[in-house]
Amino acid sequence: GAGVSQSPSNKVTEKGKDVELRCDPISGHTALYWYRQSLGQGLEFLIYFQGNSAPDKSGLPSDRFSAERTGGSVSTLTIQRTQQEDSAVYLCASSLGQGVTEQYFGPGTRLTVT
Amino acid sequence: AQKVTQAQTEISVVEKEDVTLDCVYETRDTTYYLFWYKQPPSGELVFLIRRNSFDEQNEISGRYSWNFQKSTSSFNFTITASQVVDSAVYFCALSLWGGNQFYFGTGTSLTVIP
Repeated sequence: GAGVSQSPSNKVTEKGKDVELRCDPISGHTALYWYRQSLGQGLEFLIYFQGNSAPDKSGLPSDRFSAERTGGSVSTLTIQRTQQEDSAVYLCASSLGQGVTEQYFGPGTRLTVT
Repeated sequence: AQKVTQAQTEISVVEKEDVTLDCVYETRDTTYYLFWYKQPPSGELVFLIRRNSFDEQNEISGRYSWNFQKSTSSFNFTITASQVVDSAVYFCALSLWGGNQFYFGTGTSLTVIP
């Protein structure tokens, strides 16, 4: 399809394990965002990639969280040593450019840490 | 600092009623963009509208209309003759010219009762 895709759609992991979440943005979109949405909460910004520029990591909650974007396209969000409070839906979005253009969201990955 | 407030956490209306979702934003920047997104029960956020800070014209799209008032820093969203398919969580968001981040409100959960 032409939209943003994310995998897996659901992930259950044990506390302390590492997880990787994947995002495939819309082709041609140079900007990519990761958000976290906890139950009943708004969207919490995590990290932003724009082209080949250094990512804006200001929203990452701890050093257990990291993300990379390879070749300006696919992105992977990695959470090391998962904790129960990491349980949430992780949303990826892409857009044509920074800030001013609307974002297109993927379906999200629901992460449950047991 | 930027902030978006959606004071209405949950709203229930009977089908065919009109409903207005409130959004109040805070920013000291003069150039910014406002957005509305819909998140249906399926979970994927859908872009509805973008408005820049220099365009205060109200916009109508079918049953949807938006009222942007800089004097009160509000960007309210009205659904006319609501339908069950309008049931969703609606998010208002703000971004700044040249900025990376989108600032989302906590969302308003709308339930349209048949």
